[in-house]
Amino acid sequence: EPEVTQTPSHQVTQMGQEVILRCVPISNHLYFYWYRQILGQKVEFLVSFYNNEISEKSEIFDDQFSVERPDGSNFTLKIRSTKLEDSAMYFCASSVGQPQHFGDGTRLSIL
Amino acid sequence: GESVGLHLPTLSVQEGDNSIINCAYSNSASDYFIWYKQESGKGPQFIIDIRSNMDKRQGQRVTVLLNKTVKHLSLQIAATQPGDSAVYFCAEMAGNMLTFGGGTRLMVKP
Repeated sequence: EPEVTQTPSHQVTQMGQEVILRCVPISNHLYFYWYRQILGQKVEFLVSFYNNEISEKSEIFDDQFSVERPDGSNFTLKIRSTKLEDSAMYFCASSVGQPQHFGDGTRLSIL
Repeated sequence: GESVGLHLPTLSVQEGDNSIINCAYSNSASDYFIWYKQESGKGPQFIIDIRSNMDKRQGQRVTVLLNKTVKHLSLQIAATQPGDSAVYFCAEMAGNMLTFGGGTRLMVKP
């Protein structure tokens, strides 16, 4: 069964550094999403992406965040200058319509 | 440091019994609802979904019930197995944004 894959599984970064989280969505999917889950908390929506543009974003997704689909297969989330509170699991998801299918996440640790 | 996490409600059931996990949703404009299962170290895994024009939907060993009057969603798992042990999240969708609930931990005793 096709699945969403995310790399790396764990990323450790110094505060203030830029980080790029990578996702390969399921190949025929058209909608792409990023979510985050702070340890022990709910999964929170960050952004949705369709037709090469952001279709919706939450309050969490501020100017420090950006997304890109650089080559038709990868979908990336960039955090420009990381803060301690960015430490979380970041999940990528993709869909044709619904439901959304999730990857296993990247654990981001900010030191 | 890390903020204090949510205390997850826990449902403990005997293997072979039926499980019922409940969820209250908040947005009366939500028109699509999903149950996800999350095992340790993994992403949310789709279980079953239901649209707001339905009140019940059945899958393999799972049933979702939707009560729009009281904004309540439930997941029933028949003949619960040890492999069902996980955290279960309901999620609601309005527009293109999926909003997750706080989750319930299901523990299955052999």
